[in-house]
Amino acid sequence: EAQVTQNPRYLITVTGKKLTVTCSQNMNHEYMSWYRQDPGLGLRQIYYSMNVEVTDKGDVPEGYKVSRKEKRNFPLILESPSPNQTSLYFCASSAPGTGNQPQHFGDGTRLSIL
Amino acid sequence: AQSVSQHNHHVILSEAASLELGCNYSYGGTVNLFWYVQYPGQHLQLLLKYFSGDPLVKGIKGFEAEFIKSKFSFNLRKPSVQWSDTAEYFCAASPSGAGSYQLTFGKGTKLSVIP
Repeated sequence: EAQVTQNPRYLITVTGKKLTVTCSQNMNHEYMSWYRQDPGLGLRQIYYSMNVEVTDKGDVPEGYKVSRKEKRNFPLILESPSPNQTSLYFCASSAPGTGNQPQHFGDGTRLSIL
Repeated sequence: AQSVSQHNHHVILSEAASLELGCNYSYGGTVNLFWYVQYPGQHLQLLLKYFSGDPLVKGIKGFEAEFIKSKFSFNLRKPSVQWSDTAEYFCAASPSGAGSYQLTFGKGTKLSVIP
């Protein structure tokens, strides 16, 4: 089954404690991206990746890092999380020939930073 | 910078009513346009997309959208809504060609359909 898998689904942690949210897709997609969703603000793109070792900033990259060492994985790293990063996070991937726009979304990761 | 505006924050309709959700975008060049739907507790799903060609685009579940270039609009429509259409709807846009990796979403419109 084609899917984008995020882990963990829920996480409560404290300010300053480094965390990583993993994202994996099994569709051999080249394009992957991360979004955060906040009430009243919709989805905002954090980072995206066009292929292995190729990443770029989206609209709200501050406080986040990403890496793309393998095609299937695109982890989101919060080196020193702060309360303003409490949010719902979605990873997405897309096939070539679709304008590189997200077609498949993960189920989301709800992060609470205390 | 590009932006996407959705006119309504929350729309409440009775079943069988017609739906139109507004979306306007702000871009200097040509754009790709999308509507996504998020059912309660679920992830986003693509409803329909416009890249070029016929400005009237048909999507899944009976939805359609019309691209009006002169108005920078891409409104979503459905002739008769059902209770199962209760969800949040997001319009999104990206520049065509180089830079098309950057996708900007509107803030979303919650649709509540009353049986």
